[in-house]
Amino acid sequence: GAVVSQHPSWVICKSGTSVKIECRSLDFQATTMFWYRQFPKQSLMLMATSNEGSKATYEQGVEKDKFLINHASLTLSTLTVTSAHPEDSSFYICSARSGEQLGTQYFGPGTRLLVL
Amino acid sequence: GNSVTQMEGPVTLSEEAFLTINCTYTATGYPSLFWYVQYPGEGLQLLLKATKADDKGSNKGFEATYRKETTSFHLEKGSVQVSDSAVYFCALSKGRTGAGGTSYGKLTFGQGTILTVHP
Repeated sequence: GAVVSQHPSWVICKSGTSVKIECRSLDFQATTMFWYRQFPKQSLMLMATSNEGSKATYEQGVEKDKFLINHASLTLSTLTVTSAHPEDSSFYICSARSGEQLGTQYFGPGTRLLVL
Repeated sequence: GNSVTQMEGPVTLSEEAFLTINCTYTATGYPSLFWYVQYPGEGLQLLLKATKADDKGSNKGFEATYRKETTSFHLEKGSVQVSDSAVYFCALSKGRTGAGGTSYGKLTFGQGTILTVHP
C-alpha cells in the first residue's frame, strides 16, 4: 500500500526557535497533503490543506504566519512552526492523497513536538 | 458544522471477546463514514468505509453499518485478537462524485478509542 513518512518522528526545541517537519509520499505522487494536529486524548484537528504548487488553505483559527506550509513537489510537503512556544507542543500528523486515489488519504506516523 | 462522537475509552477486552465501539455523527447532507486504525508507532490506516445509508463496510473481521436513522456507524468485531490492540478513529467526509470517481473532502475525526486486548 501507499506509504507516507514524516521526519523527524520527534523533536525538542527551545522557545522562540523554528522547527520544520517533512512529510513525504514514498511510492505515489500526492496532489494533496493535509496537516493535522492532535492533543493528548483528543481528536485530530485539520490545520491546513495543501495542493502541489499552490498556497495552502488554512482552517479557521490556524495562524498561517505561524504554521508555514510548503508543498513544492508531488512527494514532499513541509510544515514549519515559526517562533515556537510551549503551547505549540503537540503531535503533528500529515496525510497525502493522490489524484488517482481521490477517496483515500494515507497518513504519516506523526511528529511529536515539545517546546521548552 | 460536522462532528463525530465516539465512545470514550480505553476499552479493555480479553482475546476472543466481542467488540463494539460506538460512533455517532452530526452532519448536513449525506456524508461518507470511515473507521481508521492507528497501531502503536504507525500512521492511521483506513480500516473500512461506507458511502451511503445502509451500506456495510467490512475488513479484517471488523464491520460497521451506516445507519442514517440513528446517525451512527458503530464498529463491531465478533472475536478480537491481541493484534487488534490499537487506537480506533471514526470519521466522516463529504464527497463529490464526478466522472473520475468520488472525491472526498476533508475528514472530521472523533476523539479516538484506545482498545487493549489481553491474551
